[in-house]
Amino acid sequence: GAVVSQHPSWVICKSGTSVKIECRSLDFQATTMFWYRQFPKQSLMLMATSNEGSKATYEQGVEKDKFLINHASLTLSTLTVTSAHPEDSSFYICSAITGVNQPQHFGDGTRLSIL
Amino acid sequence: GNSVTQMEGPVTLSEEAFLTINCTYTATGYPSLFWYVQYPGEGLQLLLKATKADDKGSNKGFEATYRKETTSFHLEKGSVQVSDSAVYFCALSVHNAGNMLTFGGGTRLMVKP
Repeated sequence: GAVVSQHPSWVICKSGTSVKIECRSLDFQATTMFWYRQFPKQSLMLMATSNEGSKATYEQGVEKDKFLINHASLTLSTLTVTSAHPEDSSFYICSAITGVNQPQHFGDGTRLSIL
Repeated sequence: GNSVTQMEGPVTLSEEAFLTINCTYTATGYPSLFWYVQYPGEGLQLLLKATKADDKGSNKGFEATYRKETTSFHLEKGSVQVSDSAVYFCALSVHNAGNMLTFGGGTRLMVKP
């Protein structure tokens, strides 16, 4: 149980393109979803916390107009990287929880490469 | 604030060797402690957890004991396999803090046949 699916797993696109990444909880309703960014050989950096039906809470230093998060249902959150540039290339990972004080369950990540 | 410190890698072992990856933490509240594993090109998988002092989390031959007196949660396995090669992250979450995880820097484990 507690499967989180992330799509796409890999995307390559030109500079200036906007890219949408989906995070779905397949067999549970996720009260909260989290978005992380991971640079090569580094740990995960929390970008934002997303609750269904409300605005995401962004961590300090994360541009909310650059990284748009929508959490329209209890099973789907999306991260849109707007007007992506090469410096946005990274591994993006989402996670979801089944309830308060429950462990986070992670998706398999999306590798974004901006040319 | 909250922080997690784990030993830097890479850790290179031969198959069937004993594994220890050290993890220590500081927390403002009473944390739950986790070990996550990340295989190449994938997201994180929860390996084990412990929610209170002296609890031992275990899974797939790995184990870690929540030591409040030493603020540690070291990961151990008696006999590693090549398939255990991955990056291991120690993490904590403080109760009633929005389920936010604080991660250590990760330790890459390489097991050679």
